[in-house]
Amino acid sequence: KAGVTQTPRYLIKTRGQQVTLSCSPISGHRSVSWYQQTPGQGLQFLFEYFSETQRNKGNFPGRFSGRQFSNSRSEMNVSTLELGDSALYLCASSLASPAATQYFGPGTRLTVL
Amino acid sequence: KNEVEQSPQNLTAQEGEFITINCSYSVGISALHWLQQHPGGGIVSLFMLSSGKKKHGRLIATINIQEKHSSLHITASHPRDSAVYICAVLSGGNEKLTFGTGTRLTIIP
Repeated sequence: KAGVTQTPRYLIKTRGQQVTLSCSPISGHRSVSWYQQTPGQGLQFLFEYFSETQRNKGNFPGRFSGRQFSNSRSEMNVSTLELGDSALYLCASSLASPAATQYFGPGTRLTVL
Repeated sequence: KNEVEQSPQNLTAQEGEFITINCSYSVGISALHWLQQHPGGGIVSLFMLSSGKKKHGRLIATINIQEKHSSLHITASHPRDSAVYICAVLSGGNEKLTFGTGTRLTIIP
């Protein structure tokens, strides 16, 4: 069974631009969670989707948004990029919820200049 | 004070030593995850616990719900165990993971 895939793996943007990251979960997994990892703040929860619905959201500004499609693939979007948005963005999938074993993708490393 | 505290922050040991990493949390939880992150960023889930003890190969994870404490043990440590180990808790009734800051483990041959 293929693992969680994320595209692109690396991205360089400038301040003010927007970016869309993609995550394809393991086949059969319906829960997809997104996380941000920075050297200063560590890993932080962004949001979780299940069956195309956002079930939970972390403490991030409205510039961070996401969605999930009927095939469970998920995208997250960050608008009006700031320097502080530079981070590793990880998605993880699980069968039904974050209470089950999470399978992480390799991440997308975003650099904002 | 962070909801999830890990200790130590950094740990260097000789190959073959017994390793213990600790995680304390301050909220009621429904589950606790131990994760391993290698250089380059990839994260692997090692254990998901809600009570008791789990073992997988040389790794053992325990949790004491009353004391709000979990430990990850590595027996017969090996250089390939060198990684950052992260504890994450799922608060009761809340499907959001809160992460510790991680323990950087280095095993010297």
